[in-house]
Amino acid sequence: TQLLEQSPQFLSIQEGENLTVYCNSSSVFSSLQWYRQEPGEGPVLLVTVVTGGEVKKLKRLTFQFGDARKDSSLHITAAQPGDTGLYLCAGALGGNQFYFGTGTSLTVIP
Amino acid sequence: GAVVSQHPSWVICKSGTSVKIECRSLDFQATTMFWYRQFPKQSLMLMATSNEGSKATYEQGVEKDKFLINHASLTLSTLTVTSAHPEDSSFYICSARIVGIPSHNEQFFGPGTRLTVL
Repeated sequence: TQLLEQSPQFLSIQEGENLTVYCNSSSVFSSLQWYRQEPGEGPVLLVTVVTGGEVKKLKRLTFQFGDARKDSSLHITAAQPGDTGLYLCAGALGGNQFYFGTGTSLTVIP
Repeated sequence: GAVVSQHPSWVICKSGTSVKIECRSLDFQATTMFWYRQFPKQSLMLMATSNEGSKATYEQGVEKDKFLINHASLTLSTLTVTSAHPEDSSFYICSARIVGIPSHNEQFFGPGTRLTVL
């Protein structure tokens, strides 16, 4: 059983559509990160959220940290083929360790 | 920016041999490095936390005698897969935290090493 569950696991949408990816846990995290990973490469950090209720925007991507710091969401507006990839959330429990979510594989069809 | 490298980027070995993977922080010092493994189309699973100058902390279910970790300096951690078997074939990724920066636990990832055991 993984600490962080992401949904959906797979998502295939048309270019221009909007989508939301969810990252849920029963644990409270001191911080939570979102990453995007391309095949055969390491994850690339998109954002770090720290405060409950925090919302951060990165161009067409909006990230929200739940009030209780147990969950997070990633919303992409007007998805583009370049957004295709594996999206991973990762939570820190206050120590050194990071735990990754189950992952969401996104495909944006031109 | 903070750059982490891994070497080799891919390796193929025979069953029963040992393989060493290096993880280096190129432009910063890292007191803590992490090792993950990732199976195809799955997420990253934390294997161990590597602290410079001390023994690594392994996650439950990870055999410390099979996956030897050494963090001899602030810029280098190594993972040795001993007596590798086909089930050890995976994508191994390291990450590093920057010393002295209150970065809310941000970590920077290497590009990964693809291990195939025949």
